[in-house]
Amino acid sequence: EAGVVQSPRYKIIEKKQPVAFWCNPISGHNTLYWYRQNLGQGPELLIRYENEEAVDDSQLPKDRFSAERLKGVDSTLKIQPAELGDSAVYLCASSSPDRGWTEAFFGQGTRLTVV
Amino acid sequence: AQSVTQLDSQVPVFEEAPVELRCNYSSSVSVYLFWYVQYPNQGLQLLLKYLSGSTLVESINGFEAEFNKSQTSFHLRKPSVHISDTAEYFCAVSSRIQGAQKLVFGQGTRLTINP
Repeated sequence: EAGVVQSPRYKIIEKKQPVAFWCNPISGHNTLYWYRQNLGQGPELLIRYENEEAVDDSQLPKDRFSAERLKGVDSTLKIQPAELGDSAVYLCASSSPDRGWTEAFFGQGTRLTVV
Repeated sequence: AQSVTQLDSQVPVFEEAPVELRCNYSSSVSVYLFWYVQYPNQGLQLLLKYLSGSTLVESINGFEAEFNKSQTSFHLRKPSVHISDTAEYFCAVSSRIQGAQKLVFGQGTRLTINP
């Protein structure tokens, strides 16, 4: 089966500019996650979707971050405006109840550099 | 809430030497435990997981981890490492109720194999 696909792989933008990341989860996985991984740190959950509903967005900085998963499949994470501290790797993951919620599959990530 | 502490940020070892990557967790409820591996410029891949049953779990590439409830630990070991094991390793914990829907990661341990 195809894995979680993210694009772009790398993005360099100037501060105050907007940026968007795209994720296509594994087919049939109704749960989708966005994580942020700062340099030298482990991933931290930003938001979790069950189908098209955001069920856990408590860690999403809502003043500048937004996400959507309109048809319950692909998802987009947006930052507007970007700040220097947003430089990180943004990881998308998906999972399914078929595996008893015991495994999340991760994409390769988008490395964002804000200059 | 759960938390994870990986006690070593970097572990250098020689090829064919044994290695142990340490992980301690904190939780007030029963947990699932995971080790993920991140090779350079790649996403996270599940290495092994403890769900229930035998406290010793193994991966297909020779790693093993042992769940120790009394010491709240889930250390990762390999008796003889290879150059290809060079990667960053992340320990993660979740409650049994939420599973992969709420993974909490440690800060990671960078394993460097020297020839």
